[in-house]
Amino acid sequence: ETGVTQSPTHLIKTRGQQVTLRCSSQSGHNTVSWYQQALGQGPQFIFQYYREEENGRGNFPPRFSGLQFPNYSSELNVNALELDDSALYLCASSLVASGLRNEQFFGPGTRLTVL
Amino acid sequence: GENVEQHPSTLSVQEGDSAVIKCTYSDSASNYFPWYKQELGKRPQLIIDIRSNVGEKKDQRIAVTLNKTAKHFSLHITETQPEDSAVYFCAAPFQGGSEKLVFGKGTKLTVNP
Repeated sequence: ETGVTQSPTHLIKTRGQQVTLRCSSQSGHNTVSWYQQALGQGPQFIFQYYREEENGRGNFPPRFSGLQFPNYSSELNVNALELDDSALYLCASSLVASGLRNEQFFGPGTRLTVL
Repeated sequence: GENVEQHPSTLSVQEGDSAVIKCTYSDSASNYFPWYKQELGKRPQLIIDIRSNVGEKKDQRIAVTLNKTAKHFSLHITETQPEDSAVYFCAAPFQGGSEKLVFGKGTKLTVNP
């Protein structure tokens, strides 16, 4: 198992509500990427955080936002939840150093259900 | 645009046979190609990756090959075992300095005892 943890494991919300998901990166890693995985699909990139700033974003609306903290942990916030937001939300941590791409290790995910 | 195509979507083999999964990518600047294995209800697990400066990499029963000219890479699993049954995803990075990975749609591999 990787050292990446996520909380909560499961969450049920209703349309229009807001949700915050949390991720603790693996020791020694400085970058967190967030992905959305719908049932039967591959993970889709939401955004990445490096040095506490957003570093790249996928095709997701502004109601998806995030933060990275000085200890490299991260939050994903989703406002005005829609039914289609129901998915597994995965974070992946990696070490970015001198521009070298490094392996991304996934956390166990948060299963979000929007009713 | 950014695209990773993966084939086949499902693959069924007998225990002991080999399995091959193929992916193509669109961004010629991509230089890192990981493969992930995801068992039901679990996180994607990195099983092997390859960088663009090599053509092949092996780790016990699994190997990955890369053809940069044709922009495709493949996962090879030899002597398959029932515990290899899972969904396998290939991925490639896009968007320059970001570590954004674009994933294929996955291959559901079933190894029959």
